[in-house]
Amino acid sequence: KAGVTQTPRYLIKTRGQQVTLSCSPISGHRSVSWYQQTPGQGLQFLFEYFSETQRNKGNFPGRFSGRQFSNSRSEMNVSTLELGDSALYLCASSPGADNYGYTFGSGTRLTVV
Amino acid sequence: KNEVEQSPQNLTAQEGEFITINCSYSVGISALHWLQQHPGGGIVSLFMLSSGKKKHGRLIATINIQEKHSSLHITASHPRDSAVYICAVFDGNQFYFGTGTSLTVIP
Repeated sequence: KAGVTQTPRYLIKTRGQQVTLSCSPISGHRSVSWYQQTPGQGLQFLFEYFSETQRNKGNFPGRFSGRQFSNSRSEMNVSTLELGDSALYLCASSPGADNYGYTFGSGTRLTVV
Repeated sequence: KNEVEQSPQNLTAQEGEFITINCSYSVGISALHWLQQHPGGGIVSLFMLSSGKKKHGRLIATINIQEKHSSLHITASHPRDSAVYICAVFDGNQFYFGTGTSLTVIP
């Protein structure tokens, strides 16, 4: 079966712009979570959606937002981009609400110039 | 303040060696995950633990909830095991990640 698909793979944006990243989970998976990875801070948890509802949230400013659609696909939006937002953004899907069986996507590498 | 500490940061081993990576955490958790990340960014979830021990092939993960400590063991290491291994804990609200252990297995 198909894995977790993230699009686009690479993205270059200008400071001040906004960006939307997409994550399509494994078929049947209802939970999608998002992570930011940078060389300096490592992996950090952004948020998690389950059945179209944000269930958990990390410590990121309100410029970072997300949503999940009825087909479980999820989008993450970052507004007013800053240079420090340059990172690898990863999403992971899991079957349900039990924090188990995560499958990660390959990530979107965002560069802010 | 780091909620999750891993050791060692870097590890070089000869093929066939037994490897141990350690993870200590300071928060109350509902689950602990071990992740593997290869160069290029792809992450694979190896284990989720809430108690005891799990084994998958040459990989063994253990957790001691009272001591807030987990270990990942690799038996008969192989060059294809070369990757960054990341410990992550879930406290019921969010995930916290260790900084990772970079493992290089030399043939």
